[in-house]
Amino acid sequence: DAKTTQPPSMDCAEGRAANLPCNHSTISGNEYVYWYRQIHSQGPQYIIHGLKNNETNEMASLIITEDRKSSTLILPHATLRDTAVYYCIVIIQGAQKLVFGQGTRLTINP
Amino acid sequence: DTGVSQNPRHKITKRGQNVTFRCDPISEHNRLYWYRQTLGQGPEFLTYFQNEAQLEKSRLLSDRFSAERPKGSFSTLEIQRTEQGDSAMYLCASSLITGVHGYTFGSGTRLTVV
Repeated sequence: DAKTTQPPSMDCAEGRAANLPCNHSTISGNEYVYWYRQIHSQGPQYIIHGLKNNETNEMASLIITEDRKSSTLILPHATLRDTAVYYCIVIIQGAQKLVFGQGTRLTINP
Repeated sequence: DTGVSQNPRHKITKRGQNVTFRCDPISEHNRLYWYRQTLGQGPEFLTYFQNEAQLEKSRLLSDRFSAERPKGSFSTLEIQRTEQGDSAMYLCASSLITGVHGYTFGSGTRLTVV
């Protein structure tokens, strides 16, 4: 599985867009980019995933660069409840396991 | 279906005792996974089942650890002769084989070995 690099921590003001970057320069053509988040004392929660096109759902948007070597998760209007650790994971769809790094600890400030 | 359920939520045990955790996955999910998470780290893969078959075990899963998934439904994770280093959050997740919708995790069982 390709490795990912994320900043260890980020801050964002409530109501603003939170943009979380992820580098995955060794990604293969059949590997997807998945994002999960983990709120304190809970299990990780699936957010969104994509292969090469930008994706949007009710939680977030995922922007993948044309060369697929990096991506950005966008939370358009961050709330205090978005404070969590965000994990970027690159895997083949249907892969047997997720490999988590240390993620980005996002703090939303009032 | 209310998602992946794990019991108990918290467990405190004395060193040397055996403990067992239970995971009830989403009913239509074929795959079930166990992860361990220590403070400040991301979850680490332990093992996974496809239906009732245990298909992969991590090197982290020492001989004191055993997992079962009888009849391909719920799963149990047992730790024998617990050690202080076993203190962690134990997470269970389930998914479809295709993985199309990602994994669904439970809230975990926090184990403290004293």
